[in-house]
Amino acid sequence: AQSVTQLDSQVPVFEEAPVELRCNYSSSVSVYLFWYVQYPNQGLQLLLKYLSGSTLVKGINGFEAEFNKSQTSFHLRKPSVHISDTAEYFCAVSRGTSYDKVIFGPGTSLSVIP
Amino acid sequence: NAGVTQTPKFQVLKTGQSMTLQCAQDMNHNSMYWYRQDPGMGLRLIYYSASEGTTDKGEVPNGYNVSRLNKREFSLRLESAAPSQTSVYFCASSGRQGLGEQYFGPGTRLTVT
Repeated sequence: AQSVTQLDSQVPVFEEAPVELRCNYSSSVSVYLFWYVQYPNQGLQLLLKYLSGSTLVKGINGFEAEFNKSQTSFHLRKPSVHISDTAEYFCAVSRGTSYDKVIFGPGTSLSVIP
Repeated sequence: NAGVTQTPKFQVLKTGQSMTLQCAQDMNHNSMYWYRQDPGMGLRLIYYSASEGTTDKGEVPNGYNVSRLNKREFSLRLESAAPSQTSVYFCASSGRQGLGEQYFGPGTRLTVT
């Protein structure tokens, strides 16, 4: 069975500082990996995805993530955060079956402090 | 394109009442999903529909029923609401089978008293 762990439930960071949100997954098969962002009182939207190819993936709003197969990790990074990055971030994994079943992590709440 | 729309946005029910949450997508997607979101638990899949005419249980289906009315619409019904069903409900759709990229609606915040 697949599972997704997000080690930090809350991450406070000062504006313009770098941030890393950690994600680890467990799966016995190849997976596709995603980061979704949820702004307050909104639905989730895709931030970036890893399907294949280069292990460094760039997404919207200056975010990037690196797929590390040996460590089964997919950490999200941004070199300089902005107040508008305050949101909930979800790591997710899909096994790529005949339907798009996605397993979501519990989420990390990023708070950017001015 | 409106994307994925959900109605209502907010709802308060008394224990034992029933209601239907509506979801529609205009992206011609094959697959649709209902999730619930509770603090600290991420999103949990209630039911999904891989294609028009099919529905299957997800992780937490008890107390819910669904109908895939057509390719656009996927409704979630609570027959007899319970306080444990207080949650935020999200509908999502996906057009690329097997890859996992999903598009979400704005959510319905349901409170059962």
